[in-house]
Amino acid sequence: EVQVVESGGGLVEPGGSLRLSCEASGFTLINAWINWVRQAPGKGLEWVGRMKPKTAGGTPEYAAPVKGRFTISRDDSKNTQYLQMNSLKTEDTAVYYCGGSGYWGQGTLVTVSS
Amino acid sequence: DIVMTQIPLSLSVTPGQPASISCKSSQSLLHSGGNTYLYWFLQKPGQSPQLLIYEVSNRFSGVPDRFSGSGSGTDFTLKISRVEAEDVGVYYCLQGTQVPLTFGGGTKVEIK
Repeated sequence: EVQVVESGGGLVEPGGSLRLSCEASGFTLINAWINWVRQAPGKGLEWVGRMKPKTAGGTPEYAAPVKGRFTISRDDSKNTQYLQMNSLKTEDTAVYYCGGSGYWGQGTLVTVSS
Repeated sequence: DIVMTQIPLSLSVTPGQPASISCKSSQSLLHSGGNTYLYWFLQKPGQSPQLLIYEVSNRFSGVPDRFSGSGSGTDFTLKISRVEAEDVGVYYCLQGTQVPLTFGGGTKVEIK
């Protein structure tokens, strides 16, 4: 069974950091385009960034609002990707989803508040 | 950035009746490699988004055949041939042809 599970969300103060994890089973992350998407409360979906598969260079790409603050990385041995979020702002408050090969996780809530 | 515009914003449909959602992009979504990276998602109430259609017209695994996608260039359509109660939620189109990827604003579908 294919499954994607995000974790690592929580409450953090403005300026703080958080690392989200995206663990997959049933398919290999290194071979897939893995996207990170977020949804602020009551709002639509917003693309955050993605990691290209190894065959396309295996490099990350980011949306403008998070570039320079967020970093996508991966641990192939754990079939897991990470979204390191630094210098968090209140407007980063959202449910964060990761997805690849058509499969998406249930999301993890990040709340940035003092 | 490519702007994705969905019409209508909301739709109220009688079960068994068809429904159609339009998605227009501000630029052609035809990639230089020949593919068109237009996707449709459904987000049911309280759930994460689920992929319905990829690359304009391909149904994802397990998606009922009452869902179909069509279009080219800048104009795309998602059709539900006979709406069922389980189809309620917000539908989003997504373009993956150019970074940054961009979503449409969403179309809320409810049952009459």
